[in-house]
Amino acid sequence: GAVVSQHPSRVICKSGTSVKIECRSLDFQATTMFWYRQFPKQSLMLMATSNEGSKATYEQGVEKDKFLINHASLTLSTLTVTSAHPEDSSFYICSARAQGFTQPQHFGDGTRLSIL
Amino acid sequence: GESVGLHLPTLSVQEGDNSIINCAYSNSASDYFIWYKQESGKGPQFIIDIRSNMDKRQGQRVTVLLNKTVKHLSLQIAATQPGDSAVYFCAESPMDTGRRALTFGSGTRLQVQP
Repeated sequence: GAVVSQHPSRVICKSGTSVKIECRSLDFQATTMFWYRQFPKQSLMLMATSNEGSKATYEQGVEKDKFLINHASLTLSTLTVTSAHPEDSSFYICSARAQGFTQPQHFGDGTRLSIL
Repeated sequence: GESVGLHLPTLSVQEGDNSIINCAYSNSASDYFIWYKQESGKGPQFIIDIRSNMDKRQGQRVTVLLNKTVKHLSLQIAATQPGDSAVYFCAESPMDTGRRALTFGSGTRLQVQP
């Protein structure tokens, strides 16, 4: 089945650090990737939609300068949390979808980000 | 606003019993629905999907039912096993969103008692 790899799985860093998270589709080409944020015992909240070769589309309330998204190839999207603060601590999950709106999204295993 | 929600936050069943997890949606423009399973510390795992032109779809030990009249979606798991213990999310996607972003429900925790 479709495999999405997310790296790193866990990050602990100091406040003010920028953190990059990678999302790769391993066995299919993902024209669209999505980035979600999930707080403990809550559902997934969409942050942004990443389309290969174009600018990401951010959801309302998500700061694009805070959460930089790059989708340079059909198999890789990156999310950079810039100047991270403790309130940015969360579980960040990416998903990828193959070409075609009828394809389901497949998720990575998430990145646990802890800002001290 | 539009939302996808669940009737029960926690469902506890005995091993071997059938489980039914429910989901209500409010966006009448939704035409694609998915059930995901999320285990602790992991990303959601695709279980089964259904489009609005269907009212039932079966997979291995799972069945999804869609009632468009009352905007209700359910996931049935046959012969529930301990490995089925997880949080289950329904998600929907409206046909009028070109990027096909998903809106997730709040989740139901399934606890399987041995």
